[in-house]
Amino acid sequence: EADIYQTPRYLVIGTGKKITLECSQTMGHDKMYWYQQDPGMELHLIHYSYGVNSTEKGDLSSESTVSRIRTEHFPLTLESARPSHTSQYLCASSVPGQPAFFGQGTRLTVV
Amino acid sequence: DAKTTQPTSMDCAEGRAANLPCNHSTISGNEYVYWYRQIHSQGPQYIIHGLKNNETNEMASLIITEDRKSSTLILPHATLRDTAVYYCIVAPYTGRRALTFGSGTRLQVQP
Repeated sequence: EADIYQTPRYLVIGTGKKITLECSQTMGHDKMYWYQQDPGMELHLIHYSYGVNSTEKGDLSSESTVSRIRTEHFPLTLESARPSHTSQYLCASSVPGQPAFFGQGTRLTVV
Repeated sequence: DAKTTQPTSMDCAEGRAANLPCNHSTISGNEYVYWYRQIHSQGPQYIIHGLKNNETNEMASLIITEDRKSSTLILPHATLRDTAVYYCIVAPYTGRRALTFGSGTRLQVQP
């Protein structure tokens, strides 16, 4: 099974707070991704990275930002959380020619 | 990436084979068929993928038609734990693009 970890699994936070969702993988994968998924809805790509110092916006516009300073680490940050950011955030990684593997997700609730 | 069409939902009796169809009539020559599943909003789990030959692993079998315009995922002996949303995705094997998820098929395994 894939070694990709997301923390925290659940987060409830107040409006206006800054939050960082962590994603780490121990497989040395170059490609990493963040998806957003509302309950019962489809997954939407919000950010991706092809390697260190490479980040791109995904198909769905998001107020979050990402960084890729180390190969194994791809954190997602919301500078000022709002209730509209309430969702599940899923991280994935892959290498060329191999399927992508997903973490267990972070379920964010902004109150 | 080519678009896929899947039934919204299906039921299957426990212990019986579950056959999940997928249409991908616009698939191009360099695109593979991937199957993932998502159990109760956990991170999507990779199941199997193939190009044109039938594939089998410990989880499932993938049958791709000769013209590659459709495929079927087969779970040979469905259990209650196979209840999930199953996604059929078509994408280049070594593409730089992330996987695009549709709405999938919600499989309910009945006791």
